[in-house]
Amino acid sequence: DTGVSQNPRHKITKRGQNVTFRCDPISEHNRLYWYRQTLGQGPEFLTYFQNEAQLEKSRLLSDRFSAERPKGSFSTLEIQRTEQGDSAMYLCASSPQGVMVTDTQYFGPGTRLTVL
Amino acid sequence: SQQGEEDPQALSIQEGENATMNCSYKTSINNLQWYRQNSGRGLVHLILIRSNEREKHSGRLRVTLDTSKKSSSLLITASRAADTASYFCATDLRGSRLTFGEGTQLTVNP
Repeated sequence: DTGVSQNPRHKITKRGQNVTFRCDPISEHNRLYWYRQTLGQGPEFLTYFQNEAQLEKSRLLSDRFSAERPKGSFSTLEIQRTEQGDSAMYLCASSPQGVMVTDTQYFGPGTRLTVL
Repeated sequence: SQQGEEDPQALSIQEGENATMNCSYKTSINNLQWYRQNSGRGLVHLILIRSNEREKHSGRLRVTLDTSKKSSSLLITASRAADTASYFCATDLRGSRLTFGEGTQLTVNP
């Protein structure tokens, strides 16, 4: 499968615990994005990388959230001291940086986080 | 914050009918994209229309863009039960983040 993959698909944790999600983008894509989606809403942007550089972060990304893409390939999103309000679907997307500035973003299946 | 607003929030039609969904947005854009999401799954890209384009077709999909009114519409012709999903418009302002609307839930009854 050459699409975007995310692991785990589901995560249940207790409030106060730390969680880490992984995203593997499409191999030739150098841009990687994280979004969060709550029930009944559209996805909301969290952050994005071009290669290993984190270029933009949303105000939604509090200091409990950190994202990395150390070698410009896969990325991890860590949430520390989880709160019930963090329960959501976390979506990863990737896109190539082509001649056109903007390109289609291809989404993974998401990681559904439930904080008890 | 959500930039786009989809209209209607929910749409129920019979198989074979056409479905039209509308999207309005607030700022200037580079492009507008439509995505489909089946319940609890990831998003599937349907079509991208750039700010200098007015209409685009892909199979049974037709998208229009009116930048003067800051609005777009997605038409699905000859709908099928498999088209049942949530449909989102997303705007791209700076070639980085996408800003999504709240989506239209389409139900196609067999």
